[in-house]
Amino acid sequence: KNQVEQSPQSLIILEGKNCTLQCNYTVSPFSNLRWYKQDTGRGPVSLTIMTFSENTKSNGRYTATLDADTKQSSLHITASQLSDSASYICVAPFYSGAGSYQLTFGKGTKLSVIP
Amino acid sequence: EAGVVQSPRYKIIEKKQPVAFWCNPISGHNTLYWYRQNLGQGPELLIRYENEEAVDDSQLPKDRFSAERLKGVDSTLKIQPAELGDSAVYLCASSLLNTGELFFGEGSRLTVL
Repeated sequence: KNQVEQSPQSLIILEGKNCTLQCNYTVSPFSNLRWYKQDTGRGPVSLTIMTFSENTKSNGRYTATLDADTKQSSLHITASQLSDSASYICVAPFYSGAGSYQLTFGKGTKLSVIP
Repeated sequence: EAGVVQSPRYKIIEKKQPVAFWCNPISGHNTLYWYRQNLGQGPELLIRYENEEAVDDSQLPKDRFSAERLKGVDSTLKIQPAELGDSAVYLCASSLLNTGELFFGEGSRLTVL
């Protein structure tokens, strides 16, 4: 079964601190892995898309890593800001046949950054 | 450039009433998706369109849900009649290709009383 598991479910950190969010996937076959940020009451916004050949990718203070052998990805946030408070969703596509892909979404990690 | 536009943002209805949501994707995006997101969960696909053709509607509860994408541009998702369990956020997304990056709208939050 194609699954994406995220941990922790929720996290509270102080402003300025770093944090790391985890994503384990069992999607097969795998083509890329995506991280989205979803602010409360808003739609998800793409942070990064990592292909099979990439093991690290940065987008400002966000750095995603990917280990295709262990099927794990992490999202590291450096020097957190209050605006980083959101849900972070890990997404993996799997080939569903006939040239089409479907996306498997994790449940997300809810991050709260407090002053 | 405008992103994915959805309306209404919020809708409160009584059970058994009908409701419709509208989505206008990013110009030129052939693929359009409707997702449902319950509180604390990730989005779940309801239906995917390639141009005007529904290529994946296996998760759409067809007894009460319907969708259309006439002319391959904007799309409407309808629920009739609504049930209490339909309360959720309905997200529309579009992409240039099925394998491409998804761009989401702000969502339509439905509350069924």
